[in-house]
Amino acid sequence: EVHLVESGGGLVQPGGSLRLSCAASGFTFNTYEFNWVRQAPGKGLEWVSYISGSGSTLYYADSVKGRFTISRDNAENSLYLQMNSLRAEDTAVYYCARLSVSGALGFDYWGQGTLVTVSS
Amino acid sequence: DIQMTQFPSSLSASVGDRVTITCRASQRIATYLNWYQQKPGKAPKLLIYAASNLQSGVTSRFSGSGSGTDFTLSIRSLQPEDFATYYCQQSYNTPPYTFGQGTKLEIK
Repeated sequence: EVHLVESGGGLVQPGGSLRLSCAASGFTFNTYEFNWVRQAPGKGLEWVSYISGSGSTLYYADSVKGRFTISRDNAENSLYLQMNSLRAEDTAVYYCARLSVSGALGFDYWGQGTLVTVSS
Repeated sequence: DIQMTQFPSSLSASVGDRVTITCRASQRIATYLNWYQQKPGKAPKLLIYAASNLQSGVTSRFSGSGSGTDFTLSIRSLQPEDFATYYCQQSYNTPPYTFGQGTKLEIK
């Protein structure tokens, strides 16, 4: 059974840093592409970042470009999001989401989410 | 970037009704359109992929259609568990994989 479990969220001051993790199990991790998606309190879903199976291709939303870094460790079956220079508007639940076999098939599995609160 | 416009933003319906939600892309995306259901405090769940394909395990009361720029999600014979927020998402070509702003389906 596929499982994605995020961790690393918490309260951080503006300008601070946080590293989110997503532990995967139940499938061959290195054959799938992944994304981070966030949801601010009471708001809709916002795509944040993408990483290819090998980790060689990365994409970011304009709102986080230059501040966030996505990475993965295929030996550890883990996905990461390093978040620097955090702002109040980064406050959200962050989800890791697996891209199905191809982009045409959507995000087929999601973690439960981890809450990041940026506040002084 | 491709923008997704979803409407209505909210919808009131009764158990047993049929409802339709519309999503429009700012440029043609073939059938690279997915629909998700999200309940409060839970992660989104993939319902429909590639515009009209039902994800495994999803009830056939859900259906999707469309191609190019205009897409619809239909739910027939609404059940209590269907009251949730629905999002469309385009996955055309390379990221960003933008979402629509969501449609909240409430019980009348």
